[in-house]
Amino acid sequence: DQQVKQNSPSLSVQEGRISILNCDYTNSMFDYFLWYKKYPAEGPTFLISISSIKDKNEDGRFTVFLNKSAKHLSLHIVPSQPGDSAVYFCAASALSNFGNEKLTFGTGTRLTIIP
Amino acid sequence: KAGVTQTPRYLIKTRGQQVTLSCSPISGHRSVSWYQQTPGQGLQFLFEYFSETQRNKGNFPGRFSGRQFSNSRSEMNVSTLELGDSALYLCASSSPRSGRATPNEQYFGPGTRLTVT
Repeated sequence: DQQVKQNSPSLSVQEGRISILNCDYTNSMFDYFLWYKKYPAEGPTFLISISSIKDKNEDGRFTVFLNKSAKHLSLHIVPSQPGDSAVYFCAASALSNFGNEKLTFGTGTRLTIIP
Repeated sequence: KAGVTQTPRYLIKTRGQQVTLSCSPISGHRSVSWYQQTPGQGLQFLFEYFSETQRNKGNFPGRFSGRQFSNSRSEMNVSTLELGDSALYLCASSSPRSGRATPNEQYFGPGTRLTVT
């Protein structure tokens, strides 16, 4: 039972354009969402997060949007740069359980930025 | 501040053997989580330790076990290895929560690539 889904295994975007990565979840207990970026042979690195009390969080070129009613979130990268080429994982947790450090991850989307 | 370190980085074992992987968290971090990454499956949660106690556990068989030491370093053990255990095993550490709104940002190590033949 995949509670966090990234339905696009790969995405190619022209340099300078907007990259939009999507993520859907099924567990309504999730109240905190994160995006991680992973290069080959490295562990994932935290990118940006959003609490369920918000619908948007922005950090430089990265913006995450949350649509709770649709149980959908998306990561926007603008403008896209070659260094953004990586695998992006969406993750979710239930902050309501104190001490619950378990993250549920999606299967990842491989983003390729075309120069 | 040094990041999360994992040893060894690469490991080749044969079916039926057992293996122990090690993780040293970021200094001051008391929570250590383990994940298995396989192609097409994303990162699957194995277990989480906090102050030497297992606090959360994923849906993996009992062949997968772990422990945490008083200095927060953690080990995970896989006994009776199977071909399907070939994966990248990632360890992540996080700092203690100071409240409900504290972000659950976990910091990952580079992983141990285990190949079972």
